[in-house]
Amino acid sequence: ETGVTQSPTHLIKTRGQQVTLRCSSQSGHNTVSWYQQALGQGPQFIFQYYREEENGRGNFPPRFSGLQFPNYSSELNVNALELDDSALYLCASSFRTENTEAFFGQGTRLTVV
Amino acid sequence: AQSVSQHNHHVILSEAASLELGCNYSYGGTVNLFWYVQYPGQHLQLLLKYFSGDPLVKGIKGFEAEFIKSKFSFNLRKPSVQWSDTAEYFCAVKPRGGSARQLTFGSGTQLTVLP
Repeated sequence: ETGVTQSPTHLIKTRGQQVTLRCSSQSGHNTVSWYQQALGQGPQFIFQYYREEENGRGNFPPRFSGLQFPNYSSELNVNALELDDSALYLCASSFRTENTEAFFGQGTRLTVV
Repeated sequence: AQSVSQHNHHVILSEAASLELGCNYSYGGTVNLFWYVQYPGQHLQLLLKYFSGDPLVKGIKGFEAEFIKSKFSFNLRKPSVQWSDTAEYFCAVKPRGGSARQLTFGSGTQLTVLP
């Protein structure tokens, strides 16, 4: 167990809907990153949050947005869902120091129909 | 921007065989390097990491990796695999310094170990 928890574990949404995924970071970690893992692919970086502000973003459109709360937990919001958004969404927490590793949650499996 | 290549998409071995999974990265600066493993139905777990120092690093479950700077490689090895090593393996890099602190992953290698 990593101490990083994500909810829900699975969900099914209809194209055009909006979804919110949640992540509780490992105790003491102040940085949260979100990744999208499509079937058969490696995780792709969506964005990172530190001190409640976005601190880096991958090649994802603005309909992917997020929040980080004072307790370092985080949300990923996706608006106007598309079929290609179907994937495993991973949350990772870490310290914001140079030589550190990220700890991953089990992910949320999102299916868009 | 950095990129990571894992050349083997699917590797099938018999128990006790030796394993080497290739990983090459592209980035002009200094990087931290990682191997993660994803067992079926489980979260990504860190196998080993390289930050600096001895380029041969040892991780959990008997895995090791060697960083060869001149080849931009960080290959994963295990002398004798077990059935329980069946999983997907991901190589990842993170640039050191600057504001880019995200991991860039390769596309993964599915390892199947036959009993």
